[in-house]
Amino acid sequence: DAGITQSPRHKVTETGTPVTLRCHQTENHRYMYWYRQDPGHGLRLIHYSYGVKDTDKGEVSDGYSVSRSKTEDFLLTLESATSSQTSVYFCAIRPGLRTDTQYFGPGTRLTVL
Amino acid sequence: SQQGEEDPQALSIQEGENATMNCSYKTSINNLQWYRQNSGRGLVHLILIRSNEREKHSGRLRVTLDTSKKSSSLLITASRAADTASYFCATRSSNTGKLIFGQGTTLQVKP
Repeated sequence: DAGITQSPRHKVTETGTPVTLRCHQTENHRYMYWYRQDPGHGLRLIHYSYGVKDTDKGEVSDGYSVSRSKTEDFLLTLESATSSQTSVYFCAIRPGLRTDTQYFGPGTRLTVL
Repeated sequence: SQQGEEDPQALSIQEGENATMNCSYKTSINNLQWYRQNSGRGLVHLILIRSNEREKHSGRLRVTLDTSKKSSSLLITASRAADTASYFCATRSSNTGKLIFGQGTTLQVKP
């Protein structure tokens, strides 16, 4: 998994509660991404980061926020979780602009009841 | 909107047979990638083909790209039970620069 860890790996929460997912990388890569994976939709980009404190929105960013205060950590926050945010969340890194390859973490399965 | 669409959605073959899956896309691309995802795991990069390439090989994998038809195919030769996984294409749009994933083909290789 290219030195990428995600925590927690599984979480069950209730509608309306805040949830933070963490992505941690050990190789100081500048570009990090958060995706969600749902049946029938493939992977969809939520937010991405191109450096500390530099983030931008992806395709499905509504209801999500991110923060990157350190190179190694990229946090995804659901301020008030909804059932539509039940999904598997993947973090990915891109080693640099000279490559398009992305390396993925193991994923976090989130269930919002 | 999805850029890449895989076909078929599911494929079941016997070990030793070849597996072919296809990806179609809608807009101009810089490159196209194929990823594999084993059940419960993250995606793993397999191969990247650039828009000016027509064919690329990596071990038992053969990828073709036809930009005039906006399509790509992934061929896995002499399949093994360990090839059982979902396979996704991802296109880098030359218009937006975004990387868009398709919905995937689920491959089952029976021993």
